[in-house]
Amino acid sequence: GENVEQHPSTLSVQEGDSAVIKCTYSDSASNYFPWYKQELGKRPQLIIDIRSNVGEKKDQRIAVTLNKTAKHFSLHITETQPEDSAVYFCAAPPLNSSASKIIFGSGTRLSIRP
Amino acid sequence: DSGVTQTPKHLITATGQRVTLRCSPRSGDLSVYWYQQSLDQGLQFLIQYYNGEERAKGNILERFSAQQFPDLHSELNLSSLELGDSALYFCASSEGAVGGYEQYFGPGTRLTVT
Repeated sequence: GENVEQHPSTLSVQEGDSAVIKCTYSDSASNYFPWYKQELGKRPQLIIDIRSNVGEKKDQRIAVTLNKTAKHFSLHITETQPEDSAVYFCAAPPLNSSASKIIFGSGTRLSIRP
Repeated sequence: DSGVTQTPKHLITATGQRVTLRCSPRSGDLSVYWYQQSLDQGLQFLIQYYNGEERAKGNILERFSAQQFPDLHSELNLSSLELGDSALYFCASSEGAVGGYEQYFGPGTRLTVT
């Protein structure tokens, strides 16, 4: 069945350094890969997404890369800041109703050390 | 503010009881999703409705049920509550029926079963 694996589960980086979170998926038909950020006590919010027709997408300090052959995609945060501390979730939503499940990764708790 | 509303914000009840959580999607969104998030856990997909019809089902217990009404708001009913049902329940909405659309999350309902 569909599966999304996310690594690492926790990540601590020095402020100003880069952070990378990786996800692998099993459904080769997936073509939309969003990343959500959830700050403590708040709702998840989309921060960036990528579709399979591109290999990389950037938005200021955040970028996502996609390798469809290997079925993995990664979130890159550069020049990390304290406000980047949060839990990050990847997802690989199914394309059709028969695939049914909306699968999120297990989450990565990112801590930025001052 | 995502435009998705959830009531109540907090709910405290006893084991064996039944509760109803309510969600109003963003204006124009036809899909509603329900997720359960236990302490320090990921987002577990429960169920999705699209334009009043059940579209996809996740790991939803038989004690739980949901529906989407003609005005597109949705309710999640939890019965015979157990201590392990204590969690944060999120509702999310999106424009389309299948994957490929951003999901907008509500603020969540925190359920505590004592």
